[in-house]
Amino acid sequence: GAGVSQSPSNKVTEKGKDVELRCDPISGHTALYWYRQSLGQGLEFLIYFQGNSAPDKSGLPSDRFSAERTGGSVSTLTIQRTQQEDSAVYLCASSLGLAGVQEQFFGPGTRLTVL
Amino acid sequence: AQTVTQSQPEMSVQEAETVTLSCTYDTSESDYYLFWYKQPPSRQMILVIRQEAYKQQNATENRFSVNFQKAAKSFSLKISDSQLGDAAMYFCAYRSATRAAGNKLTFGGGTRVLVKP
Repeated sequence: GAGVSQSPSNKVTEKGKDVELRCDPISGHTALYWYRQSLGQGLEFLIYFQGNSAPDKSGLPSDRFSAERTGGSVSTLTIQRTQQEDSAVYLCASSLGLAGVQEQFFGPGTRLTVL
Repeated sequence: AQTVTQSQPEMSVQEAETVTLSCTYDTSESDYYLFWYKQPPSRQMILVIRQEAYKQQNATENRFSVNFQKAAKSFSLKISDSQLGDAAMYFCAYRSATRAAGNKLTFGGGTRVLVKP
């Protein structure tokens, strides 16, 4: 079946603009995760969803970052007033649930470049 | 907070030879999960192998095996009979088994593996 998909694949924006990154998880996966991969910070957790609720938002770096998930499926990560330090690859993952050693399946990521 | 350390930024191996990647972690928890992920240039992270901390037996997946030393908090990955397709970044990751801690993965800094033909 289809894996996790993300769009756009690449996004170039100007400092101060808002951007939206989209993630389509594997069908039937109730848990969805966002991670950020940057040269300076490595791979870091941002937020995860169980269904449409986000029990853990601890990784969001500032209030310019927000995410939502609707219908227990698609998720959107929004970055307002982008800054150059937001440049990174944003990875989305999904898993069947939360219990046990559930594998998180990753998408190909969105590379965000803020000029 | 848990931390994961990969001390080798880059490792080189001859095709068909064996390479071992190091990973150490710091945690006060007794129940957790450990993973090795592979990230090729396509950026898509692929799970290589996983280990549950309560299991003493080391996990194996075909040419990939781990050496899990719980007391030493060490989780190394051995790639046997290396192939050109094994060239990638490899990330060690930790996940708490405690529901309250959330389900997030904590990653190490990664090790780039180069395979020489």
